Amino acid sequence: VIWMTQSPSLLSASTGDRVTISCRMSQGISSYLAWYQQKPGKAPELLIYAASTLQSGVPSRFSGSGSGTDFTLTISCLQSEDFATYYCQQYYSFPWTFGQGTKVEIK
Amino acid sequence: QLQLQESGPGLVKPSETLSLTCTVSGGSISSSSYYWGWIRQPPGKGLEWIGSIYYSGSTYYNPSLKSRVTISVDTSKNQFSLKLSSVTAADTAVYYCATPGYCSGGSCYSGFDYWGQGTLVTVSS
Repeated sequence: VIWMTQSPSLLSASTGDRVTISCRMSQGISSYLAWYQQKPGKAPELLIYAASTLQSGVPSRFSGSGSGTDFTLTISCLQSEDFATYYCQQYYSFPWTFGQGTKVEIK
Repeated sequence: QLQLQESGPGLVKPSETLSLTCTVSGGSISSSSYYWGWIRQPPGKGLEWIGSIYYSGSTYYNPSLKSRVTISVDTSKNQFSLKLSSVTAADTAVYYCATPGYCSGGSCYSGFDYWGQGTLVTVSS
């Protein structure tokens, strides 16, 4: 099993801030990592796959980086609609696993 | 555009079997491009992958649930199903069906592109 450590669990920020979320794996997964955004009462939405590829329709203020064991999601200029919970997920090997989630709240 | 829709009872008694179905439209359940899967989210908590099934019939389960989970496909109805036996209150969650959008040769090259809206299942007597 590949264990994932996502941090921080809670991030307080203001509109316009640059924020970063980290996801660390217990073993290397190449670039088989996805990031999701979830808003209350909704299914998660895929933001980024292959660690750094932006899903179609996702604003360019979102970016992903990393490979192997350390990955980062960056929101360059936080907008009001970005306050949500974010999850990382590895699909390198079964069992697929999710990070614990990071809630981005208004400061 | 692939669309997924969960259906099934919203209330299940403890020790019984939870059964959900996901109906797929806009694509074939027999396609090699997808791994049909289930993910759950207890109230106020994070996401947990339950398991997935490939068009070949190969199944992969979360080890923590493996002894209680069965995922199967009904090609005639373009549906796949989840059965979770011996449920307890800890199995109360929103259950999502989902699939990556691009799989080939048994590997996937994207995260979960397509999700159902989710269905809340409560385990209670």
